[in-house]
Amino acid sequence: TQLLEQSPQFLSIQEGENLTVYCNSSSVFSSLQWYRQEPGEGPVLLVTVVTGGEVKKLKRLTFQFGDARKDSSLHITAAQPGDTGLYLCAGVGRDDKIIFGKGTRLHILP
Amino acid sequence: GAVVSQHPSWVICKSGTSVKIECRSLDFQATTMFWYRQFPKQSLMLMATSNEGSKATYEQGVEKDKFLINHASLTLSTLTVTSAHPEDSSFYICSARVGGGGVISTDTQYFGPGTRLTVL
Repeated sequence: TQLLEQSPQFLSIQEGENLTVYCNSSSVFSSLQWYRQEPGEGPVLLVTVVTGGEVKKLKRLTFQFGDARKDSSLHITAAQPGDTGLYLCAGVGRDDKIIFGKGTRLHILP
Repeated sequence: GAVVSQHPSWVICKSGTSVKIECRSLDFQATTMFWYRQFPKQSLMLMATSNEGSKATYEQGVEKDKFLINHASLTLSTLTVTSAHPEDSSFYICSARVGGGGVISTDTQYFGPGTRLTVL
């Protein structure tokens, strides 16, 4: 069974601080995705990383895929209250099924 | 492009009744749709994979006779929760994967906004 572990599960920090969320697995994935989900809504895709070692930037968000394609990280620079939400990492595994991590609930204090 | 809608967005029903949830791809054809369930403060769990014109594939532990899935066209999949019970109360989310062609990536699933089901 392919599993994704996210850490931390909860994070509450002050506006302007930096943070990193981690996503780890013992399995290799063909690609890894990061989503953001607001309460009562479906997840919205932020990025897909495909190549081991790949780094993608989306404004203040930096996503990295591990060299072995088993782990990924999301780094947010100068966090803002608008970044508050549930961040989910997801691995595209066998049969193209998406396997979600449990998520990191991020709260940015103004 | 790549918009997926769900209807209804929320539904409240009595225990023992059946509820149908629709998932539509609005601007693309989806040969494959996926149904997920999300309990409060938990992540999305895949329930089943729905392929147009064929039977759905259910994940282990998901009762196929309770959660009926129909994917009758390339833009519509339905999930019917039969004889619903309070423990079926959850947030049900569908996603659709492009069937090929066009400019949308075939590796990407596009998620609907979810349907909140409450069974009394």
